[in-house]
Amino acid sequence: DTEVTQTPKHLVMGMTNKKSLKCEQHMGHRAMYWYKQKAKKPPELMFVYSYEKLSINESVPSRFSPECPNSSLLNLHLHALQPEDSALYLCASSRRLAKNPSNTGELFFGEGSRLTVL
Amino acid sequence: DQQVKQNSPSLSVQEGRISILNCDYTNSMFDYFLWYKKYPAEGPTFLISISSIKDKNEDGRFTVFLNKSAKHLSLHIVPSQPGDSAVYFCAASDDQGGKLIFGQGTELSVKP
Repeated sequence: DTEVTQTPKHLVMGMTNKKSLKCEQHMGHRAMYWYKQKAKKPPELMFVYSYEKLSINESVPSRFSPECPNSSLLNLHLHALQPEDSALYLCASSRRLAKNPSNTGELFFGEGSRLTVL
Repeated sequence: DQQVKQNSPSLSVQEGRISILNCDYTNSMFDYFLWYKKYPAEGPTFLISISSIKDKNEDGRFTVFLNKSAKHLSLHIVPSQPGDSAVYFCAASDDQGGKLIFGQGTELSVKP
């Protein structure tokens, strides 16, 4: 069982819709991530939050807007998406970002939200 | 520019034999490497990792080898089991902290 929960599991939206993807973890992790994965491709980093602050934005278009309301929650707000944005959106968390030999750097992933933009 | 490369998109192995999955990287700043396993319709699951100060890390049936001079790592699974059939992603972490770069994945099929 994954300890990172993502909702919804599936989402179909039109190009004019506004929707949100949600992610929750209760492992006390202070770093949270959004990744995007297209079919037959590796996960690609979109955003990283560390201690509820945005620390990395991988030049993601503004139609994707992340939000970290508290240390357990991470949202991805979607607006005016394009059909090519259809993908599996993966949320992940880790204990922290800092390079520390005792920190395995392990990310815990959720099962993903499968997004289809019509 | 693909910084982490898995050149074999698929691998088929007989149950009980060794599976060897390979990964190459180009960024010499990478100092932590991880392997993830992914089943369809699920998120990736962490399998094993290795720091650049080591050349080998073993966990049960899984061993990861790192050759820094060649910028190459490999995952050995022995003995392979049908339940190991999945897509395996190699990933590397750089000094920017929190940024995991994934390879394209290798689909492993272990046949009974």
